[in-house]
Amino acid sequence: EAGVAQSPRYKIIEKRQSVAFWCNPISGHATLYWYQQILGQGPKLLIQFQNNGVVDDSQLPKDRFSAERLKGVDSTLKIQPAKLEDSAVYLCASSFGGSFYNEQFFGPGTRLTVL
Amino acid sequence: QKEVEQDPGPLSVPEGAIVSLNCTYSNSAFQYFMWYRQYSRKGPELLMYTYSSGNKEDGRFTAQVDKSSKYISLFIRDSQPSDSATYLCAMSAGSNYQLIWGAGTKLIIKP
Repeated sequence: EAGVAQSPRYKIIEKRQSVAFWCNPISGHATLYWYQQILGQGPKLLIQFQNNGVVDDSQLPKDRFSAERLKGVDSTLKIQPAKLEDSAVYLCASSFGGSFYNEQFFGPGTRLTVL
Repeated sequence: QKEVEQDPGPLSVPEGAIVSLNCTYSNSAFQYFMWYRQYSRKGPELLMYTYSSGNKEDGRFTAQVDKSSKYISLFIRDSQPSDSATYLCAMSAGSNYQLIWGAGTKLIIKP
């Protein structure tokens, strides 16, 4: 079974530029998560989708971050404009459902450096 | 104060030792607890989960929850160099609630 795919793996941009990350979840997984993991910290949930709909985006900085999940499969996360403090690994995860008992499977992440 | 505290380490032990990894938390509503392992440049992978208090064993791994002390532990028996990774605890107040994560403890098993 193929895992969660993310691209690109690495991205370096200058502050105020825009950037987009892509995630392809495990086939059949209805729930998709985007996390931000700053060096030395645990993952922080940015947004959770259930199929096409947003379940939780309470910690998404909506003035600069946006995410979409078209057709309930692939998802993109965009940052515009980027700030220095956005330097982090952006993890995508998917699960069969949104319950605690549905294991979240993580992709390898996209490492973003903002200069 | 963070909701979930975890010593960042690194914790370095010889191969074959018993390892104890711990998290403390402040929110008494937490009742679902998870341990994840994260290798360098990889995403976290689930090791074990427990509900409420008590112990759970899976092979060389044992998870323990003490809700009265707001303290959870992960024990690794017969540690191997392949266990070298960062171990993250995560917890939530309900089965459909957002996970709150610790910062992770870096573990090094020396051959």
